[in-house]
Amino acid sequence: EVQLVESGGGLVQPGGSLRLSCAASGFTFTSYWMSWVRQAPGKGLEWVANIKQDGSEKFYVDSVKGRFTISRDNAKNSLFLQMDSLRAEDTALYYCARIDSSGYYFDYWGQGALVTVSS
Amino acid sequence: SYELTQPPSVSVSPGQTARITCSGDKLGDKYVCWYQQKPGQSPVVVIYQDTKRPSGIPERISGSNSGNTATLTISGTQAMDEADYYCQAWDSSTVVFGGGTNLTVL
Repeated sequence: EVQLVESGGGLVQPGGSLRLSCAASGFTFTSYWMSWVRQAPGKGLEWVANIKQDGSEKFYVDSVKGRFTISRDNAKNSLFLQMDSLRAEDTALYYCARIDSSGYYFDYWGQGALVTVSS
Repeated sequence: SYELTQPPSVSVSPGQTARITCSGDKLGDKYVCWYQQKPGQSPVVVIYQDTKRPSGIPERISGSNSGNTATLTISGTQAMDEADYYCQAWDSSTVVFGGGTNLTVL
């Protein structure tokens, strides 16, 4: 059974940093692109970042470029999101998601990690 | 940047057909997928590559995509279909979601 379990969320002050983790199991982690998708309270889905199987390619939504860094540790079947210079508008539930092997959609999602940026 | 536009809400009577649209420039040239999200739950894909249904998704849920508009159609709508629905496509190497449509089954 495919499982994606996020951790590392919490309350952080504006300008602070936080690192999210996603533990993957039940599939060959090294075979899939992975992503982070977020959802602000009461709002819609927003894609944040993608990373290729070997970590050699990474893509970000414009609003987080230069502040967030996606990475992965294939030896530990783990995905990460380092978030720096956090802003109030980054407050959201952050989902770890697997991109299907066809490359066109997210076939598995975690339950999300809540990040709250507030003073 | 590429944008996908959905109506904020759609209402339908039980047993009737619900149609949720998603519009974007030359969207028909891209693959579109649809996610269903119920309150407090993670999204679930219900249609991918415009028209394909993952296993476990009922046949009464279907999709189409042509021109500038993709459409999610739910036939014989049931109370269990009440949820938020999001369309999604790729723009080069980035992912775009529509703003979401709240489907109410009255």
